[in-house]
Amino acid sequence: TQLLEQSPQFLSIQEGENLTVYCNSSSVFSSLQWYRQEPGEGPVLLVTVVTGGEVKKLKRLTFQFGDARKDSSLHITAAQPGDTGLYLCAGAEQGGSEKLVFGKGTKLTVNP
Amino acid sequence: DAMVIQNPRYQVTQFGKPVTLSCSQTLNHNVMYWYQQKSSQAPKLLFHYYDKDFNNEADTPDNFQSRRPNTSFCFLDIRSPGLGDAAMYLCATSRDTRLAGAYEQYFGPGTRLTVT
Repeated sequence: TQLLEQSPQFLSIQEGENLTVYCNSSSVFSSLQWYRQEPGEGPVLLVTVVTGGEVKKLKRLTFQFGDARKDSSLHITAAQPGDTGLYLCAGAEQGGSEKLVFGKGTKLTVNP
Repeated sequence: DAMVIQNPRYQVTQFGKPVTLSCSQTLNHNVMYWYQQKSSQAPKLLFHYYDKDFNNEADTPDNFQSRRPNTSFCFLDIRSPGLGDAAMYLCATSRDTRLAGAYEQYFGPGTRLTVT
């Protein structure tokens, strides 16, 4: 069974600070997605990374897929209160399964 | 806009009283999923449909059933809800992975189920 370890589990920071969330596995994934979920809502897809070493940017968010496609990171620059939410990484298993393996999530709180 | 819709957003049911949650999609995706999510935890996959093919997770209780009458709609039936079934239920869709360059799921807003 493939597992995704996400860290930290909880993160509380002040507005304007930078942060990095990590998603690690011993398994290789064909692709990896990052989602943000706000309280009472469904997860919203932020980005998909497919190629080892790939870096994608979404405004103040930078996503990186590890060279071996076993890990990923999400870096937020100058965090804002609107970034508050549960960040989930999810990997598509090798072999093209239609199921995703989810990390346990990082609950981020950005205080004004 | 193409989207995944869940109704109702909030559902209250009594212990043991059957309840049905619904999901519809305008994305024309062939795969539909039902997840259970409890407080700030990762979504837990209950089952999914690949077209008409039903795929149950090994640890999904028999109390949970699903129906997919057509491409657009999928239902989650909880036959005898217990207090432990109180949770957010999320529906998601995805395209055929044989065609998609990368694998992505699109979630609805969820239905918050309360069992009294």
